[in-house]
Amino acid sequence: DIQMTQSPSSLSASVGDRVTITCRASQGISNYLAWYQQKPGKVPKLLIYAASTLQSGVPSRFSGSGSGTDFTLTISSLQPEDVATYYCQGYNSAPPAITFGQGTRLEIK
Amino acid sequence: EVQLVESGGGLVQPGGSLRLSCAASGFTFSSYWMSWVRQAPGKGLEWVANIKQDGSETYYVDSVKGRFTISRDNAKNSLYLQMSSLRLEETAVYYCARERGYRQFDCWGQGTLVTVSS
Repeated sequence: DIQMTQSPSSLSASVGDRVTITCRASQGISNYLAWYQQKPGKVPKLLIYAASTLQSGVPSRFSGSGSGTDFTLTISSLQPEDVATYYCQGYNSAPPAITFGQGTRLEIK
Repeated sequence: EVQLVESGGGLVQPGGSLRLSCAASGFTFSSYWMSWVRQAPGKGLEWVANIKQDGSETYYVDSVKGRFTISRDNAKNSLYLQMSSLRLEETAVYYCARERGYRQFDCWGQGTLVTVSS
């Protein structure tokens, strides 16, 4: 099965900063990559799917890029409400399996 | 409004069994792949299993193969997870989630807590 490795595991940044989180797949997954935001005590929320498509209702400061094995989630201007843990999630069809990254905890400085 | 509501969680002894249910509403349940995803306390997300629209295909994470069974009843708009031989480390909140075309989960239930403890 595929392994998804996120970096960094935690991150502290200031309001207004540009923040980047990376996710690497152990084998190529084309663009079968999604990003989620989970705030403490809440259900995960889909941000990005197909590596770069913004889910409806998600602020445009969030963006995704990448294909194959290397992917990036970028927050263009960090806001206080963005404090959360972010997860990438990949899919490989051979064998069919869905795998999450270990998560990146984002805090405000 | 799209809604998923899980039930059936609780306290179970190691080696025991439990059946989780997920009631779907607000969308055509029979048109979507569905999954179970779990999250141990303070830990990350782990996909557990999924099932095709008509129930003809099911897939599992290796750690639960042979012990968990995912199923669905489209007439009742319901998803199930039968869990047996439960282990201490499977204590977690179990979420049901709707899958879309790129295997992303666009809708999640609130989760049901399963505690495996003696």
